[in-house]
Amino acid sequence: DAMVIQNPRYQVTQFGKPVTLSCSQTLNHNVMYWYQQKSSQAPKLLFHYYDKDFNNEADTPDNFQSRRPNTSFCFLDIRSPGLGDAAMYLCATSRDLALRADTQYFGPGTRLTVL
Amino acid sequence: QQQVKQSPQSLIVQKGGISIINCAYENTAFDYFPWYQQFPGKGPALLIAIRPDVSEKKEGRFTISFNKSAKQFSLHIMDSQPGDSATYFCAASKGSSASKIIFGSGTRLSIRP
Repeated sequence: DAMVIQNPRYQVTQFGKPVTLSCSQTLNHNVMYWYQQKSSQAPKLLFHYYDKDFNNEADTPDNFQSRRPNTSFCFLDIRSPGLGDAAMYLCATSRDLALRADTQYFGPGTRLTVL
Repeated sequence: QQQVKQSPQSLIVQKGGISIINCAYENTAFDYFPWYQQFPGKGPALLIAIRPDVSEKKEGRFTISFNKSAKQFSLHIMDSQPGDSATYFCAASKGSSASKIIFGSGTRLSIRP
C-alpha cells in the first residue's frame, strides 16, 4: 500500500544529544512536511520541501534542520534537543503545491522523549 | 486573520447521538476546508473536506456544513459510535499556498457506550 512511513515510532534521546528522525513515502509526492505536535495541541508546521526546495517556517528554531536526499526520503535533525522538544513529530506529504485543494497525508508520527 | 477557531475543546456524546463540532475563520482567501481525525498515538488522517462553492458535503455518517457568509463550518457525525472517539481538527488552506494548512485547536470527542 502507498503510504507515509516514519521511523522510529518511539525515540528516546538525552538532553543535548543530536537525534535524527526519518520519513519515507511511496506516494511519489513532490512535497514533504515536518510538523511538531505537543500533547493536546494542533500540529505545528516546522518546514517543508517542494521537491528539493527547502521552506522554513519563520518561527522554527535553528535547532531543527531537515534533509531530503531524494523524492522518497526526508529527515528531521534536532541538533541539541532540549526538554521542550519532547513531542510527536509528524511527517506529511502532498502531491504538489500548485494544486488547489491538495490533501496532506500524514505518517503515524515519531514520539520523541528527551531525558 | 490566519486563525481557525474551533469549539468545543472536548465533547461527550452518547452512542447513537449526533456529534457537532464548529469552526470559524477570518481569512476569506481560504478555499479548502479539511477535517482530520486523529487517534491516540497516530498521525491525523483526512476525514472529509469541502470547498466553499458548496454548502454541504456528506460522506456516510459524516457531514460538513459550510456557511460562507458567516465564515463558519461544522462537522456533524450522525449515529455516533464508540469507534468515533478521537481528536478532530478542522483546518483551512489557500489554494495558491497549499503548503500552509491552518489547523484549529482540536476537539477531543468521546462517545459513551
